[in-house]
Amino acid sequence: AQSVSQHNHHVILSEAASLELGCNYSYGGTVNLFWYVQYPGQHLQLLLKYFSGDPLVKGIKGFEAEFIKSKFSFNLRKPSVQWSDTAEYFCAVNSRWSSASKIIFGSGTRLSIRP
Amino acid sequence: KAGVTQTPRYLIKTRGQQVTLSCSPISGHRSVSWYQQTPGQGLQFLFEYFSETQRNKGNFPGRFSGRQFSNSRSEMNVSTLELGDSALYLCASSSTDNRSGNTIYFGEGSWLTVV
Repeated sequence: AQSVSQHNHHVILSEAASLELGCNYSYGGTVNLFWYVQYPGQHLQLLLKYFSGDPLVKGIKGFEAEFIKSKFSFNLRKPSVQWSDTAEYFCAVNSRWSSASKIIFGSGTRLSIRP
Repeated sequence: KAGVTQTPRYLIKTRGQQVTLSCSPISGHRSVSWYQQTPGQGLQFLFEYFSETQRNKGNFPGRFSGRQFSNSRSEMNVSTLELGDSALYLCASSSTDNRSGNTIYFGEGSWLTVV
């Protein structure tokens, strides 16, 4: 069965620190990979996604993620975080052959940024 | 254009009662999916409807059901509510062709508390 693991439940950083959130998935077939963000009191929104091609994907707000197929990983990075990045981040996967809506989410990582 | 709209935003129900939640997708989107979000289980896929037909279903008991209308609006129903059904219920919609790589757009959710 498909699954997604996010290793860090809660990450606390100071502003301007670099960020890396880990994500590993378990699935034997071809997958699409996503990072979603949920800011406090707001709806879940897409940060970036990988389907094929360049394994380094750039998203909104300076975020990027690298797909490493051999490690089944899709870690999220940002070189310098801001207080406004405080949010919950979800890694997600779906099968290339499934519908867009059937997504398996990780348990989420809460990111707190100290001003 | 307007995003995914969910009603009601907040509701409190008693154990044993039933509840119906409503979702209006983005105009032109024909796929609507539902997710349950809880602190313990994270985001879990409930089911997906496309053109009034259920296309995918997650691992939830039969008390959880849904339907989609000809205008793509969707409702989900939970019967015989249990305390563990307390959660944020998220609706998402995606574009007409619903290929696996398409972005899905989430609503703000309906907060259900069962007492």
